Amino acid sequence: QQQVKQSPQSLIVQKGGISIINCAYENTAFDYFPWYQQFPGKGPALLIAIRPDVSEKKEGRFTISFNKSAKQFSLHIMDSQPGDSATYFCAASMQETSGSRLTFGEGTQLTVNP
Amino acid sequence: DAGVTQSPTHLIKTRGQQVTLRCSPISGHKSVSWYQQVLGQGPQFIFQYYEKEERGRGNFPDRFSARQFPNYSSELNVNALLLGDSALYLCATRPQYMNTEAFFGQGTRLTVV
Repeated sequence: QQQVKQSPQSLIVQKGGISIINCAYENTAFDYFPWYQQFPGKGPALLIAIRPDVSEKKEGRFTISFNKSAKQFSLHIMDSQPGDSATYFCAASMQETSGSRLTFGEGTQLTVNP
Repeated sequence: DAGVTQSPTHLIKTRGQQVTLRCSPISGHKSVSWYQQVLGQGPQFIFQYYEKEERGRGNFPDRFSARQFPNYSSELNVNALLLGDSALYLCATRPQYMNTEAFFGQGTRLTVV
């Protein structure tokens, strides 16, 4: 019930295209859904996050779409750029007495070709 | 402002040895969490500490332990190292205990040979 499943494992997009990464979760107690970007040799950096009371959040070229009934959420990167080439992780967490731990998906390696 | 600082950045240890990894949080951040990231996988939660108390523990053996100091910095200790402990160890901090944005350090790359 703690798992977050992410797809695809890898994604190749042309410059200017739209990158779409999907995640699904089981635990309905999750109440915070962040997306992280990680470059080789670096720690994850928060891109954008959403809570289940909204269905969409947009920040610049990055948009999260959230479907509470389907228990799915996705990241859309508009006008993808070569600098966006990185590994992307979705995650989920909940406020609980045992700590607001992040449960991560398996990651998507995005390559944006020039 | 300095971000989350981890030391050392790289470490090579032999099987059976013990290792201590360190994390300095962003100023004012009281919550520190540790994650293990095996190559090609997402980070896995190990511990969370808040106000020097353990607030959460992931599915890791007792060889893993941690503590948080009065200045909110933290150490992760791993005893009796196994080859499978080779990973990037990440520290993440938050201002409070609440379920909000976590800021990650650059990690410590541990290689066990």
